Amino acid sequence: DQQVKQNSPSLSVQEGRISILNCDYTNSMFDYFLWYKKYPAEGPTFLISISSIKDKNEDGRFTVFLNKSAKHLSLHIVPSQPGDSAVYFCAANPNSGNTPLVFGKGTRLSVIA
Amino acid sequence: DTAVSQTPKYLVTQMGNDKSIKCEQNLGHDTMYWYKQDSKKFLKIMFSYNNKELIINETVPNRFSPKSPDKAHLNLHINSLELGDSAVYFCASSPRASGYNEQFFGPGTRLTVL
Repeated sequence: DQQVKQNSPSLSVQEGRISILNCDYTNSMFDYFLWYKKYPAEGPTFLISISSIKDKNEDGRFTVFLNKSAKHLSLHIVPSQPGDSAVYFCAANPNSGNTPLVFGKGTRLSVIA
Repeated sequence: DTAVSQTPKYLVTQMGNDKSIKCEQNLGHDTMYWYKQDSKKFLKIMFSYNNKELIINETVPNRFSPKSPDKAHLNLHINSLELGDSAVYFCASSPRASGYNEQFFGPGTRLTVL
């Protein structure tokens, strides 16, 4: 039972355009959400997070949007650059207790020059 | 100046062998984790330690035994390796066990069981 779903396994975007990666979750107890970026043969690297008290968090070219009623979040990258090509993982957990992060399956982003 | 390091990076071994993977973090974090990324690419938590104490054990076979000699180290020992243990194993750490805090991952250990 996947509590965090990334339904698009891959996405291709032209350099300079916007990349939108989507993530859905089912557990209403989740209140903290993170995006990680992973290059081949490396570990995931933290990118950006958002807590459930916000609906948007921005950090440079990266913006995460949270729609709690739809249990949906998205990561926007603009403008996309070739170096953004990687696998992006969405993760979530409740802000209580020692509950582990639950990861989605990842979306492979390819930014084409 | 690596934050979370794992050794070895690659491990190829025969079924039935016993092997260990080591992890160290120099971030001063209290909490460390082991994750398994299988062929379906899911990253799944296996164990978590907070200040050397086990706090999460996600129904992992008891052939897997984590050991935390101090809060900067979390090693993973696997007995009687099986084909299904082939995966990439990631170590991670975070400042604390709960609350809003991100985890920092090591580079991974690719284990292949023949």
